[in-house]
Amino acid sequence: QVQLVQSGAEVKKPGASVKVSCKASGYTFTSYGISWVRQAPGQGLEWMGWISAYNGNTNYAQKLQGRVTMTTDTSTSTAYMELRSLRSDDTAVYYCARSIPGGNGMDVWGQGTTVTVSS
Amino acid sequence: DIQMTQSPSSLSASVGDRVTITCRASQSISSYLNWYQQKPGKAPKLLIYAASSLQSGVPSRFSGSGSGTDFTLTISSLQPEDFATYYCQQSYSTRFTFGPGTKVDIK
Repeated sequence: QVQLVQSGAEVKKPGASVKVSCKASGYTFTSYGISWVRQAPGQGLEWMGWISAYNGNTNYAQKLQGRVTMTTDTSTSTAYMELRSLRSDDTAVYYCARSIPGGNGMDVWGQGTTVTVSS
Repeated sequence: DIQMTQSPSSLSASVGDRVTITCRASQSISSYLNWYQQKPGKAPKLLIYAASSLQSGVPSRFSGSGSGTDFTLTISSLQPEDFATYYCQQSYSTRFTFGPGTKVDIK
């Protein structure tokens, strides 16, 4: 079945970096993009960015530009999201999601990865 | 960036009620509007894409309408499993944005 499986929870100190992985299975990886979405405790959904698994093109949210990098490894059907210079307000659950071409939504989601930033 | 607003921010309803949630974009987004349902501790689930197309497997009591800047999600007869938070999301811009969410709880 189509699924996205994310890496495990992380605890980081302020100023550190975190890299979350998202392994896809059950579909042709390069036929879809991957979006990353985060959710701070008790808050709404925040779109972080998108990467094309076909050619690696990216679009990032303005507020994260310069701190976030999204990559893919087509040999293992895995997407990665790295966030640098972590702050306490980066504490959130991070989701990867398969993006349907043409802007038709995100139809398959990973289980979420909790990233806690604390000194 | 395109800003999305939703109203109401929360509502209380009973099983069997008809529920309507509104989403507004800060500029025209044509029909590039998607709706998601999220339950506590779970990942969001795509309900409606392209403003009015029902995602496969989603019950027909969910429907979407609208274009341009104003959109609506309707649940025709609220079921116990529909108590959740609902988000709209625009995909017109290359930088997607979500609305703040509407929490639907039991009256």
